[in-house]
Amino acid sequence: DQQVKQNSPSLSVQEGRISILNCDYTNSMFDYFLWYKKYPAEGPTFLISISSIKDKNEDGRFTVFLNKSAKHLSLHIVPSQPGDSAVYFCAAGVHNAGNMLTFGGGTRLMVKP
Amino acid sequence: SAVISQKPSRDICQRGTSLTIQCQVDSQVTMMFWYRQQPGQSLTLIATANQGSEATYESGFVIDKFPISRPNLTFSTLTVSNMSPEDSSIYLCSGRKGREAFFGQGTRLTVV
Repeated sequence: DQQVKQNSPSLSVQEGRISILNCDYTNSMFDYFLWYKKYPAEGPTFLISISSIKDKNEDGRFTVFLNKSAKHLSLHIVPSQPGDSAVYFCAAGVHNAGNMLTFGGGTRLMVKP
Repeated sequence: SAVISQKPSRDICQRGTSLTIQCQVDSQVTMMFWYRQQPGQSLTLIATANQGSEATYESGFVIDKFPISRPNLTFSTLTVSNMSPEDSSIYLCSGRKGREAFFGQGTRLTVV
């Protein structure tokens, strides 16, 4: 049973436009969420996180939105740049219940110049 | 952020042999983990590396196949034992700092 799902395996966006990456989860116990970016031949790099007590967290061009009732989160990148082309993973965890993070399957973002 | 150094970055190994992957983290990291990313799939947690004691393995992973050591707070090794082509994957070391997890660059293993 996949507790964290990224239903879009790939996304193509024009440079300068908004990229929206989506993530759904089923475990209502998850209380914090993270986004990672991964380039080929590199390990995932932490991007941004959000706690379940918030519905939005912003860091520069990156904003994460959390809709707890829908068990849905999204990562917005505005404006998108060619260097943003990578695989993006969402991850979820339960604070005070071990340190395991559950990862989604990833979405490959391609930003075209 | 935390600094995670992992080596080797890649290797090609014969089936039946073993490979040990090393991971060095900086002192800010509190916990260490090992993940696997099989082709086209997400990151799967293999085990939590515990300092000075046996690692805690996730379902589907066993110590005989993936022995892990963590002799001190900042260093850990993962051995992939008696390798088969199905073990071809990217293996990632991860360190935890608060709620954030940081990753090494990964080891791309190909078993032939």
